[in-house]
Amino acid sequence: DQQVKQNSPSLSVQEGRISILNCDYTNSMFDYFLWYKKYPAEGPTFLISISSIKDKNEDGRFTVFLNKSAKHLSLHIVPSQPGDSAVYFCAASGDNNNDMRFGAGTRLTVKP
Amino acid sequence: DSGVTQTPKHLITATGQRVTLRCSPRSGDLSVYWYQQSLDQGLQFLIQYYNGEERAKGNILERFSAQQFPDLHSELNLSSLELGDSALYFCASSGHSGGAYTGELFFGEGSRLTVL
Repeated sequence: DQQVKQNSPSLSVQEGRISILNCDYTNSMFDYFLWYKKYPAEGPTFLISISSIKDKNEDGRFTVFLNKSAKHLSLHIVPSQPGDSAVYFCAASGDNNNDMRFGAGTRLTVKP
Repeated sequence: DSGVTQTPKHLITATGQRVTLRCSPRSGDLSVYWYQQSLDQGLQFLIQYYNGEERAKGNILERFSAQQFPDLHSELNLSSLELGDSALYFCASSGHSGGAYTGELFFGEGSRLTVL
């Protein structure tokens, strides 16, 4: 069962431009939505999160938007930098991190 | 360094064998999660433990089992191994020990299992 979906396996953008990564979910009981970043040979690392009571959360160059009616969230990175090149996973969980589910990931490449 | 330790980092074994993967969570974290990442696949949730008790279960095969011990470390046991079990197995932990809730999991570097 794929409760969290990332339909774009890859995305390529130019340095300095905006990167937009998308994620859809099916379970309306999810309370928290998170983005993780993964470099090769490393475990995923937390990037940014948003609770279901908000529609936007910003942290520096990273902003996550949540549209609960559409069951959709997105991650905006602006401006994109070559060091942002990685695989980005969208995740969702119930309260207290129970049963956290991940999408398949989107490989972002930022070209200098 | 996430503070989550997984051993072994690499493991090569044959079909039909059994292996045990070990995870030490961050100090103070009560929850441990196991995920499987096959080639070009996302992170498949296997199982979650909280303070020694099973909390949630995902797509974990019957040939696989896990447990969390009183010292909070966890082991994932994979038996009757098949070629398709070759994957990266990640352990993660999260804090439920009285600190502020962050919604974040801390991942280890993974154990790469190769079944020949």
